[in-house]
Amino acid sequence: AQTVTQSQPEMSVQEAETVTLSCTYDTSESDYYLFWYKQPPSRQMILVIRQEAYKQQNATENRFSVNFQKAAKSFSLKISDSQLGDAAMYFCAYRHQSGTYKYIFGTGTRLKVLA
Amino acid sequence: GAVVSQHPSRVICKSGTSVKIECRSLDFQATTMFWYRQFPKQSLMLMATSNEGSKATYEQGVEKDKFLINHASLTLSTLTVTSAHPEDSSFYICSAYPPGLAGYEQYFGPGTRLTVT
Repeated sequence: AQTVTQSQPEMSVQEAETVTLSCTYDTSESDYYLFWYKQPPSRQMILVIRQEAYKQQNATENRFSVNFQKAAKSFSLKISDSQLGDAAMYFCAYRHQSGTYKYIFGTGTRLKVLA
Repeated sequence: GAVVSQHPSRVICKSGTSVKIECRSLDFQATTMFWYRQFPKQSLMLMATSNEGSKATYEQGVEKDKFLINHASLTLSTLTVTSAHPEDSSFYICSAYPPGLAGYEQYFGPGTRLTVT
């Protein structure tokens, strides 16, 4: 069975600095998708970034980028120029390319941004 | 982008009563919706996959007679918590896939906070 592990329950970063959130996963599949979601205090899940496993190039969305290491089954999220609004829970998620399209979520990392 | 709504956003009910939560896809048709439960400071736990026109598929350990899911149309799925008890108090979130974008991400509703007294 697939698993997703986020080993950092909580992280802190100074405003304007860079922080990296870790995520590792376990799967025997070769085709899949990986996602990072942000959940602010409102509890609304917001997609931050996604990565298709078949793409070697790391995904980037403005200040957010990932370091996708397929062989190592690692999918870390880098947040550059951190802002106060980045403070939230961050969840890493995995899903197969086909089938039920179910997500497998990690346990989450709470990010605090210090002014 | 695709929008998913939930109603109500908050509900308080007495122990032993039933409560229904609605999940709607507002600008697209969703053949598949998902229901999650989230306890404070924890991750989302998938409860069931809701398929339009067929029975829901429940995850292991989820009581299907307690959490009734109906996906009667392409834009509406409902979760009914029957004979609710205080331990059912939680945050319930639904999500859906827009057609043609099933290769990508789920779109999430804003969630419903259920409190059973």
